[in-house]
Amino acid sequence: SQQGEEDPQALSIQEGENATMNCSYKTSINNLQWYRQNSGRGLVHLILIRSNEREKHSGRLRVTLDTSKKSSSLLITASRAADTASYFCATGYTGGFKTIFGAGTRLFVKA
Amino acid sequence: GAVVSQHPSRVICKSGTSVKIECRSLDFQATTMFWYRQFPKQSLMLMATSNEGSKATYEQGVEKDKFLINHASLTLSTLTVTSAHPEDSSFYICSALLGGGGYSNQPQHFGDGTRLSIL
Repeated sequence: SQQGEEDPQALSIQEGENATMNCSYKTSINNLQWYRQNSGRGLVHLILIRSNEREKHSGRLRVTLDTSKKSSSLLITASRAADTASYFCATGYTGGFKTIFGAGTRLFVKA
Repeated sequence: GAVVSQHPSRVICKSGTSVKIECRSLDFQATTMFWYRQFPKQSLMLMATSNEGSKATYEQGVEKDKFLINHASLTLSTLTVTSAHPEDSSFYICSALLGGGGYSNQPQHFGDGTRLSIL
């Protein structure tokens, strides 16, 4: 399967703490994206990092990409209760036409 | 910008009924839309890629006659679940691409999903 795998599957932290989620994939990619899904809702695009980029920031989000290890991480700093959601990585594979979504990490931020 | 509206948000109906779900791009034209199915606490499973003016491309294992997709305009794609049965109960989500180019090279803009429950 080309599907990315997120780690951990679930994460519970206190408000104000940082949350780190990891994503591993199997074959060469053009880019990797992170999405957030609130319960019962659609997905919201957070950030896209291209295969020739190593790090990208957006507000409290920091994404890294290590193509040699075929892995990416999403760091949410100073987390808030509103960050409670599922987070998915999604990969665009070289030579492919589809974006493949990982299994997701469920983040719970306690107030 | 890039708002996608999906309707209805929830449907409860009897077995054997056909159900139509609409996916609209409100402030942009979408040549390509995607339909996904999501089971509880699981990832998204791509069902089909919908291109305006042409037949949808279905993923392996997805029944074309069961899940009818029509993308008749640049702002509307519909998914019809025909003769629905309890095993079709799921969360269905659509997404749209803002621009052209490779499907996997740009963000997708998602609707809020449709919770389908077949009794």
